[in-house]
Amino acid sequence: SQTIHQWPATLVQPVGSPLSLECTVEGTSNPNLYWYRQAAGRGLQLLFYSVGIGQISSEVPQNLSASRPQDRQFILSSKKLLLSDSGFYLCAWDRDRDRGYEQYFGPGTRLTVT
Amino acid sequence: KNQVEQSPQSLIILEGKNCTLQCNYTVSPFSNLRWYKQDTGRGPVSLTIMTFSENTKSNGRYTATLDADTKQSSLHITASQLSDSASYICVAALYGQNFVFGPGTRLSVLP
Repeated sequence: SQTIHQWPATLVQPVGSPLSLECTVEGTSNPNLYWYRQAAGRGLQLLFYSVGIGQISSEVPQNLSASRPQDRQFILSSKKLLLSDSGFYLCAWDRDRDRGYEQYFGPGTRLTVT
Repeated sequence: KNQVEQSPQSLIILEGKNCTLQCNYTVSPFSNLRWYKQDTGRGPVSLTIMTFSENTKSNGRYTATLDADTKQSSLHITASQLSDSASYICVAALYGQNFVFGPGTRLSVLP
């Protein structure tokens, strides 16, 4: 069976500090990978998605970046965090959204920027 | 502009009662319509996925309907349980593109 992991579960970082969130998927190969952010009381916002190693698409301009160094590893980074980066970060994967395959979400990382 | 609207924003019901959540979407090109359940502090979990040719789909006590002509969907919860307390998110998938998420409906089931 497939499993998706995210870490850390919670993180408190000062403004201006760097960020690295990691997501890994087990039990499947060549998945589509996604990073979402959910602000308190708000809907999910797609940040990045990837259809393969080294292939990253950004949905919104921001001070965040993403990388996919391995097939089942997706990393979200920032060189300098802003207060507005606080939120709940979710990684997800699927096989083929156009054919109605399910999208599976990880447990999330709660980031608080102080 | 691609968007998904949900109503009500929040809902409180008593355990054992039924409820219906609404979703209106304006997206193109439409691929499929999804409902997710998200417990507080957790990632969303898929409940149903419907393409334009499907009118209804059930998953246990959850039944989703889709009217592709009016671009409306609903999620009906039967015989609610305390564990149904969560946010329910309507999501429209676009062909060759990504997803448009609704803001969610916060459901509270009281004993």
